[in-house]
Amino acid sequence: GNSVTQMEGPVTLSEEAFLTINCTYTATGYPSLFWYVQYPGEGLQLLLKATKADDKGSNKGFEATYRKETTSFHLEKGSVQVSDSAVYFCALGSARQLTFGSGTQLTVLP
Amino acid sequence: NAGVTQTPKFQVLKTGQSMTLQCAQDMNHEYMSWYRQDPGMGLRLIHYSVGAGITDQGEVPNGYNVSRSTTEDFPLRLLSAAPSQTSVYFCASRGETGVFGELFFGEGSRLTVL
Repeated sequence: GNSVTQMEGPVTLSEEAFLTINCTYTATGYPSLFWYVQYPGEGLQLLLKATKADDKGSNKGFEATYRKETTSFHLEKGSVQVSDSAVYFCALGSARQLTFGSGTQLTVLP
Repeated sequence: NAGVTQTPKFQVLKTGQSMTLQCAQDMNHEYMSWYRQDPGMGLRLIHYSVGAGITDQGEVPNGYNVSRSTTEDFPLRLLSAAPSQTSVYFCASRGETGVFGELFFGEGSRLTVL
């Protein structure tokens, strides 16, 4: 079946540092890939997505590229801010459902 | 612009009690789903529905029932609560068909079973 393996947290960075959160997946067929973000006390929000190989999703300075050859969808941001502190979930979408990774807690210190 | 609304936000139950978590969306979405979120395990799909009158099981359906009598509402029922059902529950919906589109989430319902 489908599965998503996500970098274990928590991750603590200083403001303006570079961020990478690793995500790899196992799937049959050609899934869509997503990053969702969860701020404290809230539900999840879509951060970015990619629907086919070599697509790059981007939003709010975050980027991720759908790499079929390495089955990866790593999240990156060049300069994080305190307001980026949240839990980040990688997810894989198939016909009927979304499969989530375990989440990575990011804390950005001023 | 309400989006996905869940009630209650917090609930404490005793083992064996029953309750219903309510979920309503005002975006005319056909697809609705329930997830539970547990520490270190991400979100796991409980049940989902692709339209009124149609429901199906997800990854962890045992102990939960659902029904979909209208497009707007998708309640989740716990018939006999167990401590293992202590969790945060999220309802989510989407409107796109085909390629799996964006899920819109409610704010969550925190359930504690004693």
